[in-house]
This record gives sequence, structure tokens and C-alpha cells, in this order.
Amino acid sequence: EVELLESGGGLVQPGGSLRLSCAASGFTFSSYAMSWVRQAPGKGLEWVSAISASGGGTYYADSVKGRFTISRDNSKITLYLQMNTLRAEDTAIYYCAKDSGDTPSNYFLLWGQGTQVTVSS
Amino acid sequence: DIQMTQSPSTLSASVGDRVTISCRASQTISSWLAWYQQKPGKAPKLLIYDASSLESGVPSRFSGSGSETEFTLTISGLQPDDFATYYCQQYIGNLGTFGQGTKVEIK
Repeated sequence: EVELLESGGGLVQPGGSLRLSCAASGFTFSSYAMSWVRQAPGKGLEWVSAISASGGGTYYADSVKGRFTISRDNSKITLYLQMNTLRAEDTAIYYCAKDSGDTPSNYFLLWGQGTQVTVSS
Repeated sequence: DIQMTQSPSTLSASVGDRVTISCRASQTISSWLAWYQQKPGKAPKLLIYDASSLESGVPSRFSGSGSETEFTLTISGLQPDDFATYYCQQYIGNLGTFGQGTKVEIK
């Protein structure tokens, strides 16, 4: 079955760090770019970061640039998002999503179920 | 950054109605536009890509049209399962952006 499964979310204090993971199955992970998209409570979707299939290209929204780092391990078929210096406004459900091609700039074919990140003291 | 504006924000409709949702881009995006459906507590689901191509498995009552800056999602014959929030997304650059969403609710 084609599936994405996120983990690593939780409650963290402002200024803290979290590392999200997204385990893929059912498709050739190394052939597709991947992205993280978040959704704040009661709000719309916000693209956060993307990485090319090879991992050689990474892209970030201005709101997270310098604080978040996207990476992938194609041998472990897993996508990561390292989130540092977290702020209250980073509180959201974080979805990993499979791009339709090997470089970003695509629509999202498949989404995970999401993992909740809450930044609060 | 390219801004995407959807209208209306909320739409009240009845089963069987024809529903139209608009999405406007702040600059031309050719046909690099997708539509997603999201139900409460669930992840978004791809409906339409490249402005008018129907994703496999999506009912044919969903259709997309438009190009450049003006786009439309049409649901022909609204079904109970279609009450949800719909988002457009541009993907012309590396920084894909979404519209703010249109909630389709029961009239």
C-alpha cells in the first residue's frame, strides 16, 4: 500500500527543537521530491519546505528559513524535518507530501495523516 | 511570492446543486494549478492537476478550468460526500502556495 506515516510531533516550549520523520512505503521513494506542508488550527495550508529526489536541492518558506532543515535518507525511505528555535506560530499539524516529480514545483500526489506540533510554555 | 485568492470563502449548497469555486493568481501561472479536497481531521486529497486534469479515481462530477490567472473548480451535482473544504495550489515555482480555502457546507 502506498503510504506516508509521520511521527515526532509533540508539545515543546518556545525556543525548543523537534525532529519530524515521515516513513514512506509502497512507491520508489528515491524517485520523488518530497515536501512538508503545515496547517495551523482552523487555518489553511502552508507549504513549509521541499527537497528534491536526490536530496541535492532544498527549499524553504521565508517563515522557517534559517530555523528548519529538511533532509531525507533514501536508503531508509524516510523524510525528516529538523525544527529549531520554535515559535508559538509554528503550532500546526505537519503533513509530509509526495510530489508528482523528482524536483519540487509540483502538485502533491499523496499526503500523510499529519503529526501535531504544539509550541507553548 | 505568488498569492492565490479563492472565492467565496464559504458556500452553502444543497445535494444536486452545481457548485463553482474560483481561484485567482496574483501573476500568471500558465496551467500550473491543482485543487484539493480536505475533510475535517483528514489530510488533503488531490482532485485536479494542471488546471483541468482529473486525478485517477476522482469522480467525473469534479472538473477544473482556466489558465494564466483565473481558475475554476466545478462540482456538477453535489453529493453528500462532497461537503468539505477545497484549496487551490499553484506550483509554477519552487515555492508552491495555496489559496485560503473554500468551505462547502450544507444549505
